[in-house]
Amino acid sequence: DSGVTQTPKHLITATGQRVTLRCSPRSGDLSVYWYQQSLDQGLQFLIQYYNGEERAKGNILERFSAQQFPDLHSELNLSSLELGDSALYFCASSSTGTLKETQYFGPGTRLLVL
Amino acid sequence: AQKVTQAQTEISVVEKEDVTLDCVYETRDTTYYLFWYKQPPSGELVFLIRRNSFDEQNEISGRYSWNFQKSTSSFNFTITASQVVDSAVYFCALSEASGSNYQLIWGAGTKLIIKP
Repeated sequence: DSGVTQTPKHLITATGQRVTLRCSPRSGDLSVYWYQQSLDQGLQFLIQYYNGEERAKGNILERFSAQQFPDLHSELNLSSLELGDSALYFCASSSTGTLKETQYFGPGTRLLVL
Repeated sequence: AQKVTQAQTEISVVEKEDVTLDCVYETRDTTYYLFWYKQPPSGELVFLIRRNSFDEQNEISGRYSWNFQKSTSSFNFTITASQVVDSAVYFCALSEASGSNYQLIWGAGTKLIIKP
C-alpha cells in the first residue's frame, strides 16, 4: 500500500458526460501528479500540482482540468467524454515535487466511456 | 533528448528461471535518476527502486538485483529464481535533475510472464 488513495476504483459513463476523479496524497506529500494509461499510448503525464499550485503540464487535453485543494487532495475533471478517454487514470504523490524524488502511485481509477 | 528504451516487449519464462529486463536511457545531464516500477495484473504501479547517476553500485534486494552501467547507459533488472507472482509489466523511468522538463520519461514497459 503506497499511502495514496484514489476514488472511485471504477467508473462507467457515457460519451459527452463529465466525471471527477479524486486523489489523496501520502501523508506529508505536497505534490500530486496525474497520469493517463491507455493501451495504445502507455503512461502519459497529464499535470502536476505542488501545494495547491500548478507546477507542470503534460499532454492534458483542454477538456480535462485539475486542481489541488488546501487539504492537498486533488481532483481531475474530465468533460465532454469521448470513447478514447477510456483508460486507467493514476494519481501519484511525492514530498516536494522535484524529479529526484520517488513518485508513489495510487491504485488508479479505471474509466470506461461507452 | 531524453529517452528510455525497453526493447523487450514481452518475456516469457518458466518458474525458477532467472530473467533480466533491459533498460537503456539517453540523457545529456550528468545528474539524473532512474526508477523501476512494477505493474501487476491488478493494475497498481508499485515502486521498486530509485538510483541516482552518481551511485553505480549494483543493488540486490532479495531475488531482485539491478545493474547500473553508465558506460552503456543501461539500468537492467534481474529477477533470480522467478516466481509466478513476478508476472507483471515492468517500467523503467528517467528524470533529470536540471532539466526544464518536469516529467518522468517512461519506457514502454516489458511484460513478464512467469509460467508455472
